[in-house]
Amino acid sequence: GAVVSQHPSRVICKSGTSVKIECRSLDFQATTMFWYRQFPKQSLMLMATSNEGSKATYEQGVEKDKFLINHASLTLSTLTVTSAHPEDSSFYICSAGQGTNQPQHFGDGTRLSIL
Amino acid sequence: ELKVEQNPLFLSMQEGKNYTIYCNYSTTSDRLYWYRQDPGKSLESLFVLLSNGAVKQEGRLMASLDTKARLSTLHITAAVHDLSATYFCAGDIIQGAQKLVFGQGTRLTINP
Repeated sequence: GAVVSQHPSRVICKSGTSVKIECRSLDFQATTMFWYRQFPKQSLMLMATSNEGSKATYEQGVEKDKFLINHASLTLSTLTVTSAHPEDSSFYICSAGQGTNQPQHFGDGTRLSIL
Repeated sequence: ELKVEQNPLFLSMQEGKNYTIYCNYSTTSDRLYWYRQDPGKSLESLFVLLSNGAVKQEGRLMASLDTKARLSTLHITAAVHDLSATYFCAGDIIQGAQKLVFGQGTRLTINP
């Protein structure tokens, strides 16, 4: 089945650090990738949608300069949290879609803790 | 704008009992999904419901979809402790790119 690999699984770093999270589709080409954020005991909130080779579409309220998304190929999207602060601590989950009539496949998530 | 609401948000039940989680959505959704999330983990896909009247079953879980009522249900039969988790429903909108809108989640605790 379709597998999405997300790396790293956990990051702990100091305030002001920039953190990059990778999302790879291992056995299929992902036309679209999605980035979600989940705070403790809450639901998933879509942050942005990215398509290979084009700029990401951000949801309302998500700072595009804060959360940089690059979708360089059909199998790789990256999310960079720039100058991270404690309030950016969260569980970040990516998903990848194969097309408009195909379900999304989720990565294992990245737990980001900013001290 | 699609909104998805689940109830109950918290559910504590005894093993062996049956219960239902409800998922209401506000506008037409192309598909309805159910996911399971264990603590500290990502989402595990349970069901994809594509059309009115769709019913899918896997073990002790059964999901159904009523598009006219804009309602999906996840029914748990003879619950066992291993089913303790948070369950999310999500609808999707195909507008250029498929976007999922999640419900709040139902935290299910099954007591021995």
